[in-house]
Amino acid sequence: GDSVTQTEGLVTLTEGLPVMLNCTYQSTYSPFLFWYVQHLNEAPKLLLKSFTDNKRPEHQGFHATLHKSSSSFHLQKSSAQLSDSALYYCALRTGTGGYKVVFGSGTRLLVSP
Amino acid sequence: ETAVFQTPNYHVTQVGNEVSFNCKQTLGHDTMYWYKQDSKKLLKIMFSYNNKQLIVNETVPRRFSPQSSDKAHLNLRIKSVEPEDSAVYLCASSYSSAETLYFGSGTRLTVL
Repeated sequence: GDSVTQTEGLVTLTEGLPVMLNCTYQSTYSPFLFWYVQHLNEAPKLLLKSFTDNKRPEHQGFHATLHKSSSSFHLQKSSAQLSDSALYYCALRTGTGGYKVVFGSGTRLLVSP
Repeated sequence: ETAVFQTPNYHVTQVGNEVSFNCKQTLGHDTMYWYKQDSKKLLKIMFSYNNKQLIVNETVPRRFSPQSSDKAHLNLRIKSVEPEDSAVYLCASSYSSAETLYFGSGTRLTVL
């Protein structure tokens, strides 16, 4: 079935270094991917989502590119900030049955001074 | 700005009791969801409703039953809670076809 894989459970970085969080997916239909971020004691909220026209979505310095050839939608940022520390979920809207978004297991990003 | 409201924020109960959680959205969306976030932060879909119709019903125990009175409300009842039901239950809403999800702040359930 449709699924999302995030291989890193925890990523620790020093402020100012680049960020890359991995996300790969399996999708029966044309994929539509999301990145959600959840800060401590808050609800998950959308960070960015893929476009159908191959544009690269960007938000708050983060960007991700959908690569259908490798089934990936990695999240990147050129320079980590302390405030980026949070739990990041990659998610996939499934084509089968609609109205369903499945989430990866999440990657916790910890940025230190 | 919060637009998906969940009550209660926390609930502690004993094994075998019945609990109910409420969710309301003021975004005018037509689709609502229940997700379970466990202690390892895994986020799993349980149900989704579109215009009061059940659309997605994942493999959850039969003691879980959702209820929707209109497209702005989606409640969740657990008939006889078990220890493994301890989790955060997140309600979300979106326009149809699973566009961007807007989550509520969650209900943390603890089963003793």
